[in-house]
Amino acid sequence: DVVMTQSPLSLPVTLGQPASISCRSSQSLVHSDGDTYLHWFHQRPGQSPRRLIYKVSNRDSGVPDRFSGSGSGTDFTLKISRVEAEDVGVYYCMQNTYWPPLTFGQGTKVEIK
Amino acid sequence: EVQLLESGGGLVQPGESLRLSCAASGFTFSSFSMSWVRQAPGKGLEWVSTILESGERTYYADSVKGRFTISKDNSESTLYLQMNSLRADDTAVYHCAKGVWGDNWGLGTLVTVSA
Repeated sequence: DVVMTQSPLSLPVTLGQPASISCRSSQSLVHSDGDTYLHWFHQRPGQSPRRLIYKVSNRDSGVPDRFSGSGSGTDFTLKISRVEAEDVGVYYCMQNTYWPPLTFGQGTKVEIK
Repeated sequence: EVQLLESGGGLVQPGESLRLSCAASGFTFSSFSMSWVRQAPGKGLEWVSTILESGERTYYADSVKGRFTISKDNSESTLYLQMNSLRADDTAVYHCAKGVWGDNWGLGTLVTVSA
C-alpha cells in the first residue's frame, strides 16, 4: 500500500501570512496514463471534507485562488498564500494512483495563532 | 447541486449488524463510482470501500473485507453499506463520497459499537 506522510501535523498560522503543508508518498504517484492522482481536502470542525485540489494542482470550483497545489513524483505541497480565518481545520492529502486502497495522509491541523 | 445524505447509523453491540444508506442527488448517480470513508472519533480519514459505476466491481479495505458489503441502487440513486460482525474499532462517522477522487462528501452518520 502507498503510505502518505504529511508534515507538519500541526500548523499555527498568523492571519494574512502564508502557510505550506507537505505530503510525501512512499512511491511515485505517476500513473501509467501519465497523470498523478494526488488530491487535497479541507475539513472544518464539524463539517464533511471538501476537496480543494485534484490531480496535484487543479483547483476545484469555488476554491479561492489563495490555495495552490504543486509537486511531482513523491513530493507534494499545498500552499495558502494569505491565511484567512475560514481556513482553519484539518487538511488531508489522498492518492488514488495505486488503489485499492485509497490512502490518506494523517492530516495537518491548521489553527490561528 | 450535489447532495449526499447518509443515514442508518446508531449504537450497536459487538457482533451485530447495521445497514447504512446514502441518498444522492444533483448528478447522474449511475455514471459515477461511489465510496465510503470513515473517521474514528478524533482521528483521520480511512477509506472503507468503493463500488464502480454499474456496481459490477467492488473494493474493500482489509480491515472490513468479508464483513462489509457495498452496493448501489442506480434506480433509486442510493448507496448502501451492509456492516456485519461489527467491532469496537468500527466506531466512526461514515461518510459517503462521490467518485474515487472524493468529488463531494456527505456529512456522515455515526456508528458506535459498544457493549
